[in-house]
Amino acid sequence: GNSVTQMEGPVTLSEEAFLTINCTYTATGYPSLFWYVQYPGEGLQLLLKATKADDKGSNKGFEATYRKETTSFHLEKGSVQVSDSAVYFCALRSLSGNTPLVFGKGTRLSVIA
Amino acid sequence: DTGVSQDPRHKITKRGQNVTFRCDPISEHNRLYWYRQTLGQGPEFLTYFQNEAQLEKSRLLSDRFSAERPKGSFSTLEIQRTEQGDSAMYLCASSPTSGRAGGSYEQYFGPGTRLTVT
Repeated sequence: GNSVTQMEGPVTLSEEAFLTINCTYTATGYPSLFWYVQYPGEGLQLLLKATKADDKGSNKGFEATYRKETTSFHLEKGSVQVSDSAVYFCALRSLSGNTPLVFGKGTRLSVIA
Repeated sequence: DTGVSQDPRHKITKRGQNVTFRCDPISEHNRLYWYRQTLGQGPEFLTYFQNEAQLEKSRLLSDRFSAERPKGSFSTLEIQRTEQGDSAMYLCASSPTSGRAGGSYEQYFGPGTRLTVT
């Protein structure tokens, strides 16, 4: 079945540090890939997405590239801010339709000033 | 577009009681999903609807759980005879059924209902 594995947290960084959160997936075919973010006390929000190999999703300074050869979708940001402190979830959905999302366990990021 | 809303936001109940949660999706969205999120875990799929039809149920959805979407608009999730293991955040999401090719039908999540079973 489909699954997502992401690096365990928590991750603590100083402001302006470089961020990488690793995500790898197992799926049949070519799934769509997503990063969701959950800020404290709020619901899940879509951060970025990619629907085919070599696509790069980007939003708010975050980027992730769909790498079919390594089945990965690592999240990166060049310079994190305190306001980026949140839990980040990698997720996939199979290409076979408008189907439920499969999530990783989440990675908590804390950015300190 | 007011987003996906869920009610209540928090529910504390005693073991053995029944609880019901409501989800109001974005008005033009045909698909509605329920997920459960326990502490330190990602959301796990429970069930989803296309309009009023329940299309799929996860094996996580025991026979104590039932979900409905009677008019294809709002949905309810009922848990009967609650157990402490049911304590979790219950998330609702909705999505349209038309979108760009590639399965990128974005799901919009509500704030969730946090259930605590004592």
